[in-house]
Amino acid sequence: AQSVTQLDSQVPVFEEAPVELRCNYSSSVSVYLFWYVQYPNQGLQLLLKYLSGSTLVKGINGFEAEFNKSQTSFHLRKPSVHISDTAEYFCAVSDQMNYGGSQGNLIFGKGTKLSVKP
Amino acid sequence: DAGITQSPRHKVTETGTPVTLRCHQTENHRYMYWYRQDPGHGLRLIHYSYGVKDTDKGEVSDGYSVSRSKTEDFLLTLESATSSQTSVYFCAISEQDPGKVHARRNYGYTFGSGTRLTVV
Repeated sequence: AQSVTQLDSQVPVFEEAPVELRCNYSSSVSVYLFWYVQYPNQGLQLLLKYLSGSTLVKGINGFEAEFNKSQTSFHLRKPSVHISDTAEYFCAVSDQMNYGGSQGNLIFGKGTKLSVKP
Repeated sequence: DAGITQSPRHKVTETGTPVTLRCHQTENHRYMYWYRQDPGHGLRLIHYSYGVKDTDKGEVSDGYSVSRSKTEDFLLTLESATSSQTSVYFCAISEQDPGKVHARRNYGYTFGSGTRLTVV
């Protein structure tokens, strides 16, 4: 069965500092990977996704993530954060082999709360 | 969120009463999902639907039922609400992959804004 581990539940960082939010997954098959962001009292918004091709994926708001198959990781990075990046970030995985049923359902990590301080 | 709305946005109900949450989409997507979000647990799948009248259970389905009589509406019912069902509920939608009969297009899900349910 697939699983997603977000290694840090909370990450405090100062404004304009770099940040990395860590995500590891386990799966016996090839996967698609996603990062979602949730601002306070809002729904989840897709930040970026890896489906195929280049392992370095760029998303919205200056975020990027790198797929590392050998380490089964998909860490999210931003070189310089802003106060407005304060939010909860969720990593998610789904099977590439998707023929209906539960295959293709997204499995989410427990989230990482990013707190950007002035 | 564009194309997907949840109602109500907030609800307080008493233990033992039935509650129905509604998810409505205007995207004509085949797949719809209900998740609950709780601190320390992330998002957990309750039920999902892969077409009209076609539904299946997720990992936390006990105490919940769903119905989908139209493509655009997916209802989540708590038959007899309990305090453990106090949570934020999110609906999500995804497209069918046109190249495969039952597969969904893996572009990720689009989420609604959520319903905050409190059971007292």
